Amino acid sequence: QKEVEQNSGPLSVPEGAIASLNCTYSDRGSQSFFWYRQYSGKSPELIMFIYSNGDKEDGRFTAQLNKASQYVSLLIRDSQPSDSATYLCAVRGGSEKLVFGKGTKLTVNP
Amino acid sequence: DVKVTQSSRYLVKRTGEKVFLECVQDMDHENMFWYRQDPGLGLRLIYFSYDVKMKEKGDIPEGYSVSREKKERFSLILESASTNQTSMYLCASSPVLAGQYFGPGTRLTVT
Repeated sequence: QKEVEQNSGPLSVPEGAIASLNCTYSDRGSQSFFWYRQYSGKSPELIMFIYSNGDKEDGRFTAQLNKASQYVSLLIRDSQPSDSATYLCAVRGGSEKLVFGKGTKLTVNP
Repeated sequence: DVKVTQSSRYLVKRTGEKVFLECVQDMDHENMFWYRQDPGLGLRLIYFSYDVKMKEKGDIPEGYSVSREKKERFSLILESASTNQTSMYLCASSPVLAGQYFGPGTRLTVT
């Protein structure tokens, strides 16, 4: 059974701080890694993807991948109240299907 | 921008009714997916399709069927709705070996 684990939170950070969201996965053959943001009552929105070990930056977001440790993370710099949402980690192995974690709820306090 | 649309945002049906949920994508994506999302259980894959008329069962296909007659349209059918199928239903599409893009969701209540 392929699994993706996330700390359910809630994770609470003050405005302007760095929020760090973490995800581990069980399938060593996983090839692609995705982060989704889901606001309450809305559908998930794809915000980042990473395929290679290392860091990938996009604006205030940085995705980090360590395949040896089977670990992927999302850093949000200068966190804003509008970043308050549930963040889903998703992993793709050798098929078109994604395995999703259950998400980490982030609250950014003004 | 990728656009995935779903036929209804909210739907109320009675137990035993046959229910059709429609999903349309405008980006010529090969893959389309149907999920349900329930509190505490996360996203669960019901069915997906990697080509017209092709389908594959996901993790929880029981009580559901699907149809993909055209590349842009993927339908989810609840053959005989039951109260345990009350949920948020999410459709997604993706190109080959890429991330998925979700529609707005349909909140289905079965009474």
